[in-house]
Amino acid sequence: DTAVSQTPKYLVTQMGNDKSIKCEQNLGHDTMYWYKQDSKKFLKIMFSYNNKELIINETVPNRFSPKSPDKAHLNLHINSLELGDSAVYFCASSRVSDTQYFGPGTRLTVL
Amino acid sequence: GNSVTQMEGPVTLSEEAFLTINCTYTATGYPSLFWYVQYPGEGLQLLLKATKADDKGSNKGFEATYRKETTSFHLEKGSVQVSDSAVYFCALSGLRGSARQLTFGSGTQLTVLP
Repeated sequence: DTAVSQTPKYLVTQMGNDKSIKCEQNLGHDTMYWYKQDSKKFLKIMFSYNNKELIINETVPNRFSPKSPDKAHLNLHINSLELGDSAVYFCASSRVSDTQYFGPGTRLTVL
Repeated sequence: GNSVTQMEGPVTLSEEAFLTINCTYTATGYPSLFWYVQYPGEGLQLLLKATKADDKGSNKGFEATYRKETTSFHLEKGSVQVSDSAVYFCALSGLRGSARQLTFGSGTQLTVLP
C-alpha cells in the first residue's frame, strides 16, 4: 500500500542516453511534483502538475520533459543525459495547497 | 522571493542530549512551515508542520513553533536517540500562481552517538 512510488530506484547510464523515471501515487491527490536533490542534499523543485496540467516549470533544461498520462502518474523523461544530471530525483504529491508526500527517490548516475 | 535559512551541519550529539536546529525564513504572505526528515538511503518524510503563527507542530518528541515576529521555525527535541540520526530539512509552502511550492533549506545532518 505504498503511497508514492517511483521506478527505478537506481539508474546508471552513459552520457548521451535517454531515460525515463516513473512515478505513481495512490493517495487520490490532484497535484504531483518532481524535485532534484544534488550531491550536497540541496532540494529544488523542477515541475508541478495539477490535474494533468503543468503549473510550475522551473528553469530546467528542455532535455527534461514531464508527462502526466493521468492524475495518478507523473513521469520524467530525460534526453541526452549529461554528467551534471547525476542526482537523486524525488516525486511528490499533494492535494492543492496541502502537505506534500514524497516518494523514495531515484538515484541517477550518468557515466 | 521565498527563502529558508537553516543551521549548517553537521551536528553530532550524544544520546539523550537536547537538540535544536535553527530555521528562519523569508516569505510574502502567510506560508505554511514544515520539517521533513530524510533517513539514510530513503525519501523525505513529513516530521511536523504548522500552518499559522503561534501554531506548534509536534511528532515523535520533536517540536517546532511558528514564530511570525522572528520569522523562525526552530526544531527541538528534549532527548535524542541514535535512531534520530538523519538529515532534517526546514521548508515553507508559498503560493506561486495557482500552486503551492515548497522551498527547502539546505538540510542539517544530525548524527547521534550511543
